[in-house]
Formats: sequence, structure tokens, C-alpha cells
Amino acid sequence: QKEVEQDPGPLSVPEGAIVSLNCTYSNSAFQYFMWYRQYSRKGPELLMYTYSSGNKEDGRFTAQVDKSSKYISLFIRDSQPSDSATYLCAMRSNTGNQFYFGTGTSLTVIP
Amino acid sequence: GAVVSQHPSWVICKSGTSVKIECRSLDFQATTMFWYRQFPKQSLMLMATSNEGSKATYEQGVEKDKFLINHASLTLSTLTVTSAHPEDSSFYICSAEPLGTYEQYFGPGTRLTVT
Repeated sequence: QKEVEQDPGPLSVPEGAIVSLNCTYSNSAFQYFMWYRQYSRKGPELLMYTYSSGNKEDGRFTAQVDKSSKYISLFIRDSQPSDSATYLCAMRSNTGNQFYFGTGTSLTVIP
Repeated sequence: GAVVSQHPSWVICKSGTSVKIECRSLDFQATTMFWYRQFPKQSLMLMATSNEGSKATYEQGVEKDKFLINHASLTLSTLTVTSAHPEDSSFYICSAEPLGTYEQYFGPGTRLTVT
């Protein structure tokens, strides 16, 4: 079993839709959870950074962490064509010495 | 804030030569930097963890004599691909963590083509 599972997609949605991106994991030691956005031929950009369980909101983006289910989500409201990118989840243990990236989900927002 | 730069952004070199890629944290200090490579439409593959003032920790399967990493200061890490071969052609990305955090900020990447 992989440490982090992420559906690669591709995912296509119409402009204005709510997008839900998800990752599951198996290691209960993970405490830090991140979401990155990567445009083609660019480095990943940190979108959200959360610690332990709960929700975090930043503009149109909401990150949710459910440690009991080992499941994290990123919601994008009012999606825009500029949101078209690959979204990677990442997680890290409390000591920092275990961290993994998901394989990324490719998202296309259609105008 | 939290800007990481890489230089060069792209490089073409001949087989057998060496190429150095620089990674700089522009507005923060980083004791830890990471080097990744990424093939088209694939996820990031961690190559090594670079710690300021000490030897890098390489992931399994990554040749440390081929991919030389130097982290000489809190704002600069370099990756040197020695005796490059066409199979080393890839997108190399670095990231850096501000002191006291586990947030990784990525550079824009360097596209290496070995002919």
C-alpha cells in the first residue's frame, strides 16, 4: 500500500463549479498536511498548510483534514480557468523525517 | 515572501559534461533544502535532502557521486550533475524550508537536456 494515494484524474469541470480534490494516507504519524498547485513546466506553489485535523480556509480554497479517516481534501469554490493545473497533496510526520507527496490530480476548468 | 529561485531555468549540455544548478532562498533562511526530479506528466521524485553544513541524504537509488549536492549557506544549495547522460534529461526542482517550519517552498525548476 502506498503511503499516500491520490486519484490522478484528469478532472474536468465547468467554470464556477465546486471542485473537490482528495488524498488518503496510511501513516498515522503524519501531522502536517499541504496542498500544492503546479502549472505545466513550473515548480509547485504552496496553497494550503495545515496541522492536525480541522478546516482551513483561504479565499476560494478550503482544506480539510480528517485524521480519524486518514483523509484530506481541498475544495475550490467558484472555479476559474486559471485554476487549471495539477494539484498535489503532501504530508509530513511530526518529527519531519517522513514526508510524502501524492502523485497529483490534473484539473481542467472549462470556460 | 518565501521565494525560491533556481538558476539556470534551462540548460542544454553535451553528454559527458557536468552541469551545476543553483537553488537560492531569497527572503528567508533554510537549513534544509530538497532536490527533486520530475519526468513529464509524473509526480515529484525526491532525490536528496540537503542540510546546511553537513552531507546530503540521498534517496535509495540516487547515485551520490553522480548528483553532487552542496549546501554551503542558509540560502544556497547546489546540485551538480556529473558526467551527464541523455537519461539525466529531466526537470529538476529544488525546495526550501524556512527555519522552524515544515513548509516547503519550491523553485521554478531547471529543465536539463543532455544531447
